[in-house]
Amino acid sequence: TQLLEQSPQFLSIQEGENLTVYCNSSSVFSSLQWYRQEPGEGPVLLVTVVTGGEVKKLKRLTFQFGDARKDSSLHITAAQPGDTGLYLCAGRGDDKIIFGKGTRLHILP
Amino acid sequence: DTEVTQTPKHLVMGMTNKKSLKCEQHMGHRAMYWYKQKAKKPPELMFVYSYEKLSINESVPSRFSPECPNSSLLNLHLHALQPEDSALYLCASSQTRYEQYFGPGTRLTVT
Repeated sequence: TQLLEQSPQFLSIQEGENLTVYCNSSSVFSSLQWYRQEPGEGPVLLVTVVTGGEVKKLKRLTFQFGDARKDSSLHITAAQPGDTGLYLCAGRGDDKIIFGKGTRLHILP
Repeated sequence: DTEVTQTPKHLVMGMTNKKSLKCEQHMGHRAMYWYKQKAKKPPELMFVYSYEKLSINESVPSRFSPECPNSSLLNLHLHALQPEDSALYLCASSQTRYEQYFGPGTRLTVT
């Protein structure tokens, strides 16, 4: 069974700090997606990474796909209160998309 | 346009009621999905429609009945639900094998 493990589960930091969250698996994925979800809303797609070693930047967010395509990381520079939310990674499994359990991020003003 | 719309936004229903959730996308996506999400948990896949045909049913109880009238619409018919079915119900669509686009969800409360 393919699983995606996200760490940390919870993270609370001060505005302006940097942070990294992780998405790991023992399985190879053809791609991984990162979503951000706010309470009571649907997940919003942030990025898709496809190639091993790929790095994508979205303003202050940097996403990296591991060389072996088994893991990914999300780095946020100078976090802002608007970054608060649930960050989910997802990957295509054998026949469906698999979600990690998410990292709940809270940025304190 | 990467919008998936869902109606209603909120729904309160009794255990003997029959109601429907609706989802619509106009991105030309050929796959549509229903997910259930409980508080502080990731979305759980319920159903997948591919080219308007049901391709995956994740052993969902028969009190949930999906319907795909055409390539843009997806319904979820609800009947005789239990209080534990209260959750955020999310619709998503995708064209590629990689990315899904989610709607804002319907917050369902069963009383």
